[in-house]
Amino acid sequence: DIQLTQSPSFLSASVGDRVTLTCRASHGISSYLAWYQQKPGKAPKVLIYTASTLQSGVPSRFSGSGSGTEFTLTISSLQPEDFAIYYCQQLNTYPLTFGGGTKVEIK
Amino acid sequence: EVQLVESGGGLIQPGGSLRLSCAASGFTVSNNYMNWVRQAPGKGLEWVSYVYSGGATFYADSVKGRFTISRDSSKNTVFLQMNSLRAEDTAVYYCATLHDSGSYFYWGQGTLVTVSS
Repeated sequence: DIQLTQSPSFLSASVGDRVTLTCRASHGISSYLAWYQQKPGKAPKVLIYTASTLQSGVPSRFSGSGSGTEFTLTISSLQPEDFAIYYCQQLNTYPLTFGGGTKVEIK
Repeated sequence: EVQLVESGGGLIQPGGSLRLSCAASGFTVSNNYMNWVRQAPGKGLEWVSYVYSGGATFYADSVKGRFTISRDSSKNTVFLQMNSLRAEDTAVYYCATLHDSGSYFYWGQGTLVTVSS
């Protein structure tokens, strides 16, 4: 199975901050990576797919980059509604594994 | 519009069985990869099982031999039969299917399974 390692696991930041989350894959997955945002009691919501494609309706402050084994999700200016847990998922090979998540909290 | 609605969760004793359902609309389950993903309380996402359009099935090692995924094309519904349940199976179970591009999941709202005596 392909392992995904997210870092950091916890991030404390202020409104307006630029934050970068990282996802590393144990094997190359080309650009088959998605990023999800999850808020308490809700299902994950896709933000980015194929590593860098912004899902329709998602604010442009979210961006993704990377290929192969290293990927990043950047929020250019953190907003109050962005405090949540972020997961990466690889869609290159079944089982379609997830990273352990990064929790973004208010400083 | 793709919609997935899970049902069937609840409180069950260790060793018991439960069947989850996922009613789909906006697409045909028999033509898509259909997945179950679970999330234990306060934990991350764990892929559990899928059924492929051709009918092949696959399971995480943690549930192999205990869980069975199936589908009913006439009802456009996917099921997860869970037997020999353990405390560590306690989780919200999500039904998910791949977007046509194969690039991300559509998710249902989830159903909570609690295994406890």
